[in-house]
Amino acid sequence: SQTIHQWPATLVQPVGSPLSLECTVEGTSNPNLYWYRQAAGRGLQLLFYSVGIGQISSEVPQNLSASRPQDRQFILSSKKLLLSDSGFYLCAWSRGLAGEQYFGPGTRLTVT
Amino acid sequence: EDQVTQSPEALRLQEGESSSLNCSYTVSGLRGLFWYRQDPGKGPEFLFTLYSAGEEKEKERLKATLTKKESFLHITAPKPEDSATYLCAVQGDSGYALNFGKGTSLLVTP
Repeated sequence: SQTIHQWPATLVQPVGSPLSLECTVEGTSNPNLYWYRQAAGRGLQLLFYSVGIGQISSEVPQNLSASRPQDRQFILSSKKLLLSDSGFYLCAWSRGLAGEQYFGPGTRLTVT
Repeated sequence: EDQVTQSPEALRLQEGESSSLNCSYTVSGLRGLFWYRQDPGKGPEFLFTLYSAGEEKEKERLKATLTKKESFLHITAPKPEDSATYLCAVQGDSGYALNFGKGTSLLVTP
């Protein structure tokens, strides 16, 4: 069976500090990978998706970047965090680009 | 632009009191409509995918239905463990994102 991991589970960072969130998927090969952000009172918003190693597409302009150094690893980064970057960050995977996506446990980021 | 509206925002039910959650959507070329369950502080858990009007799917006390403009999640004889936020999402032919509604927060009391 497939499993998706995210870490850390929670993170408190000061404004202006860097960020690195990691997501890994087990039990499947060549998954499509996604980063979403869930802000209080708002729906999930897609930030990035990747169809393969080194292939990243951004859905919205922002202070964040993503990378996929290995087939089943997806990283979300920032050089300098803003207060508005606070939120619940979710990684997801899918077998194809159409169809259901499966979410990880999430990372709660608080920027102070 | 794809849009998803869920109602009600919050719903409180007595154990055993059946009800329905609504998801209204507009999308260009529906690839799929998805229902998820999300517990506090956790990632969404996949429940159902519906692809075309008239389709229905069931899982335990949950049944999802789809028309050309909306989907319903029917909850029959709910139990307290069904308490969660239920999210609806659509995927259209314009991209790969799942476009989510804001969810319905369901509380089932004993």
